[in-house]
Amino acid sequence: KAGVTQTPRYLIKTRGQQVTLSCSPISGHRSVSWYQQTPGQGLQFLFEYFSETQRNKGNFPGRFSGRQFSNSRSEMNVSTLELGDSALYLCASSLAGTNYEQYFGPGTRLTVT
Amino acid sequence: QKEVEQDPGPLSVPEGAIVSLNCTYSNSAFQYFMWYRQYSRKGPELLMYTYSSGNKEDGRFTAQVDKSSKYISLFIRDSQPSDSATYLCAMSGDKIIFGKGTRLHILP
Repeated sequence: KAGVTQTPRYLIKTRGQQVTLSCSPISGHRSVSWYQQTPGQGLQFLFEYFSETQRNKGNFPGRFSGRQFSNSRSEMNVSTLELGDSALYLCASSLAGTNYEQYFGPGTRLTVT
Repeated sequence: QKEVEQDPGPLSVPEGAIVSLNCTYSNSAFQYFMWYRQYSRKGPELLMYTYSSGNKEDGRFTAQVDKSSKYISLFIRDSQPSDSATYLCAMSGDKIIFGKGTRLHILP
């Protein structure tokens, strides 16, 4: 079974631009969660989608948004990029929203200049 | 007080040694306790999860949870150079919180 895939793997953007990241979960998994990982803050929860509905949201500004499609694929968008948004963005999928058994993708490394 | 505390290391041990990694937490509502391994430039990989207190073993890895002390541990037996990675603890209840990770180096 294929794992979680994320595209693109690397991205360089300029402050003020917006970016869209994509995640394809493991086949059959209906829940997708997004995380931001930085050296200073570690791994922080952004939001979770289950059956196209946002079920939980972390403590991030409204510039961070996401959506999930009927095939469970998910996208996250960051608008008006700031230098502090430079991070590894990770997507994780689980079968039925069990956050104790999540499988992560390789991440998208976003650099904001 | 942080919800989850984890020593960042680095922790260097010789090959074959027993490794002990641990985390403390403050929120007694956590019910599930997880350990992830993350290699450089990769996503975290779930090693194992435990529900409530007790031990769980999987090959060379043993996870322990002591809810009364709010303390969790991961033991790695017969450590190998391939175990060199960052190990993240995580805890969940109605939300999930990750430790910042311990960098582990196994010296050949």
